[in-house]
Amino acid sequence: AQKITQTQPGMFVQEKEAVTLDCTYDTSDPSYGLFWYKQPSSGEMIFLIYQGSYDQQNATEGRYSLNFQKARKSANLVISASQLGDSAMYFCAMSGASGGYQKVTFGTGTKLQVIP
Amino acid sequence: DTAVSQTPKYLVTQMGNDKSIKCEQNLGHDTMYWYKQDSKKFLKIMFSYNNKELIINETVPNRFSPKSPDKAHLNLHINSLELGDSAVYFCASSHRGQGRAGELFFGEGSRLTVL
Repeated sequence: AQKITQTQPGMFVQEKEAVTLDCTYDTSDPSYGLFWYKQPSSGEMIFLIYQGSYDQQNATEGRYSLNFQKARKSANLVISASQLGDSAMYFCAMSGASGGYQKVTFGTGTKLQVIP
Repeated sequence: DTAVSQTPKYLVTQMGNDKSIKCEQNLGHDTMYWYKQDSKKFLKIMFSYNNKELIINETVPNRFSPKSPDKAHLNLHINSLELGDSAVYFCASSHRGQGRAGELFFGEGSRLTVL
């Protein structure tokens, strides 16, 4: 069984500062994927970044980077130069094989608020 | 051109009624999902279909019945609605062996309110 843990229910960050959102996971699958999604107040789910379990380098997408520490089973999201539009819920998720098919499990989310 | 579309976006109904939510994707994906997001924002998988075949069926009351007439459509029918069914229901799709393994493409969500 796979499990995703986000221990920060809410975070504040000053505009233009960097912020790290924590995510730890647990799985017995040797191959898995880690994702971060953003959900603004409008409700849609927006894909941010992906890290495969066999990827050697940490993933980056613009201002987003994923700090992947496989031995610690952590996949923290780093947002650099925060903007007011970054205020949203952020979900960490993991995909793994379930009976030959991919099953995606989500963490409980972190609500990020960017302060002007 | 919306990739994953759900209808209706909002649904308000009385306890005990039966309602359906429809989902369609035009991405050519072979796998579709229903997720439920409760009032605390927790996202939980309910069902998954691959090429019209049910492959994931989490612990969901049997009042919920998914139906996939073809691989581009996945509908959710809910019988005898209860107050606790109030939530946002997300449809999503993905494709085996394509792109990032397990990447989900989400619809906009359908907010169900049971009075």
